[in-house]
Amino acid sequence: GQSLEQPSEVTAVEGAIVQINCTYQTSGFYGLSWYQQHDGGAPTFLSYNALDGLEETGRFSSFLSRSKGYSYLLLKELQMKDSASYFCAVRGSGAGSYQLTFGKGTKLSVIP
Amino acid sequence: EAGVAQSPRYKIIEKRQSVAFWCNPISGHATLYWYQQILGQGPKLLIQFQNNGVVDDSQLPKDRFSAERLKGVDSTLKIQPAKLEDSAVYLCASTLEDRVYEQYFGPGTRLTVT
Repeated sequence: GQSLEQPSEVTAVEGAIVQINCTYQTSGFYGLSWYQQHDGGAPTFLSYNALDGLEETGRFSSFLSRSKGYSYLLLKELQMKDSASYFCAVRGSGAGSYQLTFGKGTKLSVIP
Repeated sequence: EAGVAQSPRYKIIEKRQSVAFWCNPISGHATLYWYQQILGQGPKLLIQFQNNGVVDDSQLPKDRFSAERLKGVDSTLKIQPAKLEDSAVYLCASTLEDRVYEQYFGPGTRLTVT
């Protein structure tokens, strides 16, 4: 089985940096994705980490430590439009390698 | 490139009624997923198709839910009879076979069961 833990809510100031954490426990692991979902909208893919380390895409970075079962999403130069829910999703191994299991999500509120 | 299409966007039904949702994935995407997302939670996988075959339906409540993807393209998800706890957003996603981690989601159908 798989379990993922994320903080339910985070608040940050416009222009600042915020880190959203995700810890996971799985029986098998291929990688971890991050998705963004605005209220009433569809989840959209942000990043994927299969190996330890940092992946950067513009203002967004994602880090993975396989040995610690830990990942974080880093958002820099926060903008009001970044207010959304952020989900980590684990890709398991074996039959689970064809699926993603999503966490409950972290609601990010960006304030002026 | 057109995205994943879903209809209807909203549906309100009474408990014990039936409802059907439709999804048309991105052209060329062999893998299609149906998810249920309850307010305040992450998407929960219901069923996964590879072309027109079911890969995993272990989390689909088969006594009331059914899904098909007859020609390996568009798909329908049906609930019969609906219960109050089925109120949720039903999301369809598609992806290329080797990019499971990067799924493309449709706008979803918001179902309210009264």
